[in-house]
Amino acid sequence: SQQGEEDPQALSIQEGENATMNCSYKTSINNLQWYRQNSGRGLVHLILIRSNEREKHSGRLRVTLDTSKKSSSLLITASRAADTASYFCATPYNTDKLIFGTGTRLQVFP
Amino acid sequence: SAVISQKPSRDICQRGTSLTIQCQVDSQVTMMFWYRQQPGQSLTLIATANQGSEATYESGFVIDKFPISRPNLTFSTLTVSNMSPEDSSIYLCSAKTGTGINQPQHFGDGTRLSIL
Repeated sequence: SQQGEEDPQALSIQEGENATMNCSYKTSINNLQWYRQNSGRGLVHLILIRSNEREKHSGRLRVTLDTSKKSSSLLITASRAADTASYFCATPYNTDKLIFGTGTRLQVFP
Repeated sequence: SAVISQKPSRDICQRGTSLTIQCQVDSQVTMMFWYRQQPGQSLTLIATANQGSEATYESGFVIDKFPISRPNLTFSTLTVSNMSPEDSSIYLCSAKTGTGINQPQHFGDGTRLSIL
């Protein structure tokens, strides 16, 4: 399967702690996108890291990309209860079609 | 980024019926896509909605079951035909505003479909 693998499947932390989730593919990565999904609703685009970038920041988000290992990580610092959601990685194939990862369910307790 | 609206947001349907989901984007976009998310699962691409021509379907999805229209650059519909309980899923529309592989896709809020 071309689907990306994410770990952990589920993560529970306290507010203020950092959350790290990882994503890996068997196919080559042109870019890596991270999305958030709240309670089975639509996806919100968080960040895109290009294949020639190794690290990217956006607010409390830090994303790394290792194209040789075909893997990426998403770090959320100083987590909040509002960060509770499912997080998905995705990479394009055939230019535009996205292959999604299996997802990580994050629970942040107040 | 484009704002994507989907209707209906949810529905409960009877087995054997069909439902059409609408997707409206607030600006012209280059590409539109339809995804399915089965309960507790990740997203799977159903098809690329091509403006003015037949949609391009992924393996495992066929036009008779999931007819798609895209009459212009801002609107698309997905019909789920002859529904069975296995079709209970969230159906999501996405759009890409620019060209090139490093343009992100943006998603609507999805349509949660339950078939009895």
